[in-house]
Parts: sequence; C-alpha cells; structure tokens
Amino acid sequence: KNQVEQSPQSLIILEGKNCTLQCNYTVSPFSNLRWYKQDTGRGPVSLTIMTFSENTKSNGRYTATLDADTKQSSLHITASQLSDSASYICVVIQSGNTPLVFGKGTRLSVIA
Amino acid sequence: DTGVSQNPRHKITKRGQNVTFRCDPISEHNRLYWYRQTLGQGPEFLTYFQNEAQLEKSRLLSDRFSAERPKGSFSTLEIQRTEQGDSAMYLCASSPTSPSIDTQYFGPGTRLTVL
Repeated sequence: KNQVEQSPQSLIILEGKNCTLQCNYTVSPFSNLRWYKQDTGRGPVSLTIMTFSENTKSNGRYTATLDADTKQSSLHITASQLSDSASYICVVIQSGNTPLVFGKGTRLSVIA
Repeated sequence: DTGVSQNPRHKITKRGQNVTFRCDPISEHNRLYWYRQTLGQGPEFLTYFQNEAQLEKSRLLSDRFSAERPKGSFSTLEIQRTEQGDSAMYLCASSPTSPSIDTQYFGPGTRLTVL
C-alpha cells in the first residue's frame, strides 16, 4: 500500500531555533517528493520539489533532503520564525498521471 | 490575484441538504483536482480532470458526490444529501499539462460544516 508517514506529529520550538521534520514513504514507483506548508484554514503551498536524483534542495531557510534508497526525506528549518507555525505536509508522486499521496503532516508551533 | 480561487470559503448546512462548491483554476492550467481534508489529516484525493474529461475518481467519491468541469475551465463539486461525516475542508488544485514536473497549486479551500 502506498503510504507516507511523517514524524513527529507535532512539534513546539522556540523562535530562532532549528528543527527537522521527517518523512518516510512506501510509494512506488517514485517520481518526485514535495514538501508543502499549510497555514491554518488555507490551502497547501509548495516549498520544495525533489526528483529521484536530487539529494538536497534549499528554499531560503528551508532545506529538504531525500534518500531514495531508504525512501526517507527530511525538511530542516533554520532560524525559525513565528510565521513558520503551520502544518508541513510531505507529498509523494508516483510516476505517471496518478494522484498525490499525502502524509498527515507535522504541526509546527514556533513560540516567542 | 491569478491563483486558484474557491467559493464559497465556508458553508454551513443541515444534514440532508445539497451543497455545491466552485473552483476556478489558474487560467492556463489543464488539470484540476479535488481533495478532501479533515482536521489533523493530510488531503485525500477525490477526483481529477484533464480539460473537461474526468480521468480518475477515488473510492472516497461516493454516489452522493459529483464533479463537473463542463468547459474545461471552472469546476463544481456537488454533494447530495449531506451527512455529518462530509464535514471537511474541500481543496481544489490545478496544474499545467507538462512533460516536466507537475506542480499543483492549491486554492484556499471551502470549509463545509454539516449540522
């Protein structure tokens, strides 16, 4: 069964600190993996997209890694800000025109 | 704003009533997707269109649900005889048809509450 598992389920950190969110998947065949940020009551917004051959991709303070062999990805947030408080959802796409497989997300709260 | 738009943003209805949501995708995007998201969960795929053709439907899409995209532009999602379990955020996304990576752009969602 195609699944995307994320950990932790929720996380609280102090403003300015770093954090790392984890994503494990069993989706096959694999095309690409994405991290989305979803603010409460809003639609998800894409942060990074990584293909099979990419190991690391950065977008400002966000850095995503991908190990296609172990089927693991992480999202590292550096120098967190209060505005980083949101759900971070890992999404995997199989090859072809197939629907996205979403994880349940990690709820991040950044506090002052 | 040229992003994906959805209307209404919120809908409260009584059980048994019918509701219809609208999604306007980014104008040049051929693909349009509907998802449902409940609290604390990731979005779940419902259905998707390429132009006006509905190419795939999830098993989650019971016979009370119907989606249309008659002219290949905007889409509607109708839920008949709503049940309390239909309460969720309904998300629409669109993407271009491209041989490269397919990036889906999400709308703000319609939050449905069935009383």
